[in-house]
Amino acid sequence: DVKVTQSSRYLVKRTGEKVFLECVQDMDHENMFWYRQDPGLGLRLIYFSYDVKMKEKGDIPEGYSVSREKKERFSLILESASTNQTSMYLCASSLSQEQFFGPGTRLTVL
Amino acid sequence: QKEVEQNSGPLSVPEGAIASLNCTYSDRVSQSFFWYRQYSGKSPELIMSIYSNGDKEDGRFTAQLNKASQYVSLLIRDSQPSDSATYLCAVNNNDYKLSFGAGTTVTVRA
Repeated sequence: DVKVTQSSRYLVKRTGEKVFLECVQDMDHENMFWYRQDPGLGLRLIYFSYDVKMKEKGDIPEGYSVSREKKERFSLILESASTNQTSMYLCASSLSQEQFFGPGTRLTVL
Repeated sequence: QKEVEQNSGPLSVPEGAIASLNCTYSDRVSQSFFWYRQYSGKSPELIMSIYSNGDKEDGRFTAQLNKASQYVSLLIRDSQPSDSATYLCAVNNNDYKLSFGAGTTVTVRA
């Protein structure tokens, strides 16, 4: 079974803090994704990566950056957290088109 | 027009009945179609993939695809209370990304 893990289930940060969300997959998948999910807005793609050190912007990249130094790990960085970044953050990985999700990180920015 | 649209719900069905979920998509070049189940507070879980026109059955779940009508559906037979969840339709447009619908919430009444 594909296993996608995320570093925290719940996280509380203060406005202006730098926040790191980590995602690790154990299935040697090429592609990794970061989404946020908000009530009424559904799943929105922030960034994705189709290879080590490669990244592409999704639909809502503003305020975020990513890092993929190793194939199994994809990090989402909030350079200066703001209250409107309070959300559920979901990481996913895929070999082809089927994406498998991690458990999610519920981030609250105060 | 949204890329992927689902019937808004919520959908309430009695235990043992058939739940029917619908999804339409706007991009004619879409090739692959997925249904995810998401329990409240949890991450999406892939339950069905369908790639060619027709029906695909997996246990109590049947996915139906009609590319000419740009329509994909999910039937849940013999609905159980454990099927109560939000169901997300996702469409792949021949790259690594998925476009998600907003989801349909299903409640199975005992």
